[in-house]
Amino acid sequence: QKEVEQDPGPLSVPEGAIVSLNCTYSNSAFQYFMWYRQYSRKGPELLMYTYSSGNKEDGRFTAQVDKSSKYISLFIRDSQPSDSATYLCAMIAGNQFYFGTGTSLTVIP
Amino acid sequence: EPEVTQTPSHQVTQMGQEVILRCVPISNHLYFYWYRQILGQKVEFLVSFYNNEISEKSEIFDDQFSVERPDGSNFTLKIRSTKLEDSAMYFCASTDGGALGGYTFGSGTRLTVV
Repeated sequence: QKEVEQDPGPLSVPEGAIVSLNCTYSNSAFQYFMWYRQYSRKGPELLMYTYSSGNKEDGRFTAQVDKSSKYISLFIRDSQPSDSATYLCAMIAGNQFYFGTGTSLTVIP
Repeated sequence: EPEVTQTPSHQVTQMGQEVILRCVPISNHLYFYWYRQILGQKVEFLVSFYNNEISEKSEIFDDQFSVERPDGSNFTLKIRSTKLEDSAMYFCASTDGGALGGYTFGSGTRLTVV
């Protein structure tokens, strides 16, 4: 069983849509939960991080963590073409990051 | 904004050859990492480095791999006797050990083994 599961997509939405990206995990030791955005041929760029169950908002982005279900989500409101990228969830246990496979998102103008 | 710089951006090497991937972490960072991403697969942890020694490594990081901080600025990943399956993007990352927001990735080196 993989540590972190993420649907690779691809996901294609019209501009202005609400996007929902999700990951599940199996390791109860994960303490921090992150979402990274990765543009083609670039390194992952941190979008948001949280360590507790609940919601965290930052502009158009909302990160949601449900530790009881071992489920995390990233919501993007009013999606823009510039949001087109691969979105990776990541979690920390000890000194290591564990990444999902990434979901490829295309926002169509 | 401070950056993690990786060189080269693309390296092509013949199977069996040795390669050295170079990284310049952010200057005041103390913890350094290498990750790899095989095309279409997830980003995988290779190794972490602190205080001039390896602090943690994954199963992937076997005797074929080594890391070094040869001077005060560079952090290198050496891959000996490269194999076709070593073809991947290799990302360097660094952090000051503080808030997660300080964990910064480089743009990666694409290694192609032919």
